[in-house]
Amino acid sequence: GAVVSQHPSWVICKSGTSVKIECRSLDFQATTMFWYRQFPKQSLMLMATSNEGSKATYEQGVEKDKFLINHASLTLSTLTVTSAHPEDSSFYICSARRTGTGELFFGEGSRLTVL
Amino acid sequence: AQSVTQPDIHITVSEGASLELRCNYSYGATPYLFWYVQSPGQGLQLLLKYFSGDTLVQGIKGFEAEFKRSQSSFNLRKPSVHWSDAAEYFCAVVTYSGGGADGLTFGKGTHLIIQP
Repeated sequence: GAVVSQHPSWVICKSGTSVKIECRSLDFQATTMFWYRQFPKQSLMLMATSNEGSKATYEQGVEKDKFLINHASLTLSTLTVTSAHPEDSSFYICSARRTGTGELFFGEGSRLTVL
Repeated sequence: AQSVTQPDIHITVSEGASLELRCNYSYGATPYLFWYVQSPGQGLQLLLKYFSGDTLVQGIKGFEAEFKRSQSSFNLRKPSVHWSDAAEYFCAVVTYSGGGADGLTFGKGTHLIIQP
């Protein structure tokens, strides 16, 4: 079956540094990928929709300069948390929509802890 | 390992008919459970969640779900579906918590088709 891989699964970083999270569709092409953030015991929050070859569409309240999204190919989207702070600690998960069929697949998520 | 199973990949129901989408989970502790819906071209939308308390949970758009610990299930129901309910439905369980970051595991989704 189709697999979406996120890397890293776990990351700990110092405040002020930048962290890049990758989302890869391993055996299918994904024109569209979504990035979500999960707060403890809360619902997922859609951060942005990433379309291959174009700028990401950010949801209201999400800082574009803080959360940089790049979808450079049909199998890879990256989320970079710039100048991370402890309040950015969270679980980030991506989903990829298979081109053609429209099926949606989720990554396993990336847990970010900012010290 | 934690897991979420949605046994039905596709379900077709007639408009006005009742609906039940199945979700089974595997998790050692008390689970926190969610149902999400994704309509074409949209992001995920939360339908309802269960953390504790009453095992019958009411959500938006007329949906409800019942947590049954003995069956490790959290099935989603709606008495009468509308054409606008056609979408992809995902069940999810929180797989760990603490440190400001909960993990989340999704089922593979159930595609709901509504017949006129």
